[in-house]
Amino acid sequence: TQLLEQSPQFLSIQEGENLTVYCNSSSVFSSLQWYRQEPGEGPVLLVTVVTGGEVKKLKRLTFQFGDARKDSSLHITAAQPGDTGLYLCAEPRNPTDKLIFGTGTRLQVFP
Amino acid sequence: NAGVTQTPKFRVLKTGQSMTLLCAQDMNHEYMYWYRQDPGMGLRLIHYSVGEGTTAKGEVPDGYNVSRLKKQNFLLGLESAAPSQTSVYFCASSYGLAAFFGPGTRLTVL
Repeated sequence: TQLLEQSPQFLSIQEGENLTVYCNSSSVFSSLQWYRQEPGEGPVLLVTVVTGGEVKKLKRLTFQFGDARKDSSLHITAAQPGDTGLYLCAEPRNPTDKLIFGTGTRLQVFP
Repeated sequence: NAGVTQTPKFRVLKTGQSMTLLCAQDMNHEYMYWYRQDPGMGLRLIHYSVGEGTTAKGEVPDGYNVSRLKKQNFLLGLESAAPSQTSVYFCASSYGLAAFFGPGTRLTVL
């Protein structure tokens, strides 16, 4: 089973700071997704990246897919307490779209 | 439009007891999945279904059975619960590359 490694495992920052979390694999991703999971809830899809070098923005969140499609990053600008949660990367596997998840980055943003 | 719902939300079992977790979706999705989430291990796929009447094994299927008698429902069964099955269980359905998750069932096996 391909392993998706995420770093850092934990991140604790003050409101207003910037941060970047990473997702890496030894194999090439067909596509990659980022999810955010809040306590007591299921993961919610944030974005899907498909093309090497692709950059997508979602308000203060910027997602980048590596040129070789073996890594991805999520950058949050001016973090807010509402960004607190577990950030998961996942690869959908064809043809059934079952997801292989990374271990996650747990983010805590303090006011 | 409720999306994906799961029942129950919480359950405590004794070793050897059985139970069924119910997942329902109202989005008419063909694909449905059961995952378990354990600390430090992300989510791992237990079983999945690509349509009514079909099921398949995922990464960690041992000790679980599933059924998909109706398109909108996907049931996960534990025949003889073990402490190693203490976890949070998530159901999901998908269309294309968009997956939608339920709120989870927290199961403790004593």
